[in-house]
Amino acid sequence: QQQVKQSPQSLIVQKGGISIINCAYENTAFDYFPWYQQFPGKGPALLIAIRPDVSEKKEGRFTISFNKSAKQFSLHIMDSQPGDSATYFCAARGNQFYFGTGTSLTVIP
Amino acid sequence: DAGVTQSPTHLIKTRGQQVTLRCSPKSGHDTVSWYQQALGQGPQFIFQYYEEEERQRGNFPDRFSGHQYPNYSSELNVNALLLGDSALYLCASSPRGQGWQPQHFGDGTRLSIL
Repeated sequence: QQQVKQSPQSLIVQKGGISIINCAYENTAFDYFPWYQQFPGKGPALLIAIRPDVSEKKEGRFTISFNKSAKQFSLHIMDSQPGDSATYFCAARGNQFYFGTGTSLTVIP
Repeated sequence: DAGVTQSPTHLIKTRGQQVTLRCSPKSGHDTVSWYQQALGQGPQFIFQYYEEEERQRGNFPDRFSGHQYPNYSSELNVNALLLGDSALYLCASSPRGQGWQPQHFGDGTRLSIL
């Protein structure tokens, strides 16, 4: 059973546009929600993270929106750039970290 | 400052064999977690080591075992390899007191089972 459901599976965005990736979870015991960025041949790198008592967190062009009542959270990438083309994973911390299935983002110049 | 290093980068084995993968954590980190990432999937937690002991384990069979050394480096051992064990194996390290925040991943070992 997938603990964290991520969508879409793939996303194509024009340069300068907004990329939005969504995740949903069921376990209300999850207490920390990070996003990771992974380039081909590399390990995931922590991008930004949020705790459930905060509704939004922004770091540069990256923003996490968190809806505790809906048990959903999303990553927004503003002014998307070709260098943002990568696979993005959401995750949630319970008794271990549970990862989503990933979103392959392509930013077209 | 070296990050998390894993060896080897690629490995090919046949069914039934045994394999050992190695990980050196980032300097200053003492907690190591191992993950399996199948093609097109997110990482799945195998187990975590801290103070040379397995502290938490995911839903993986006993064929998967590990070890942590006094210098915090770690090994992942997989016995009786199956075709389904083909995956990217990732090691992540974190500093003391932040064991559940795997901030630093290595680039993984790509294991192929023939």
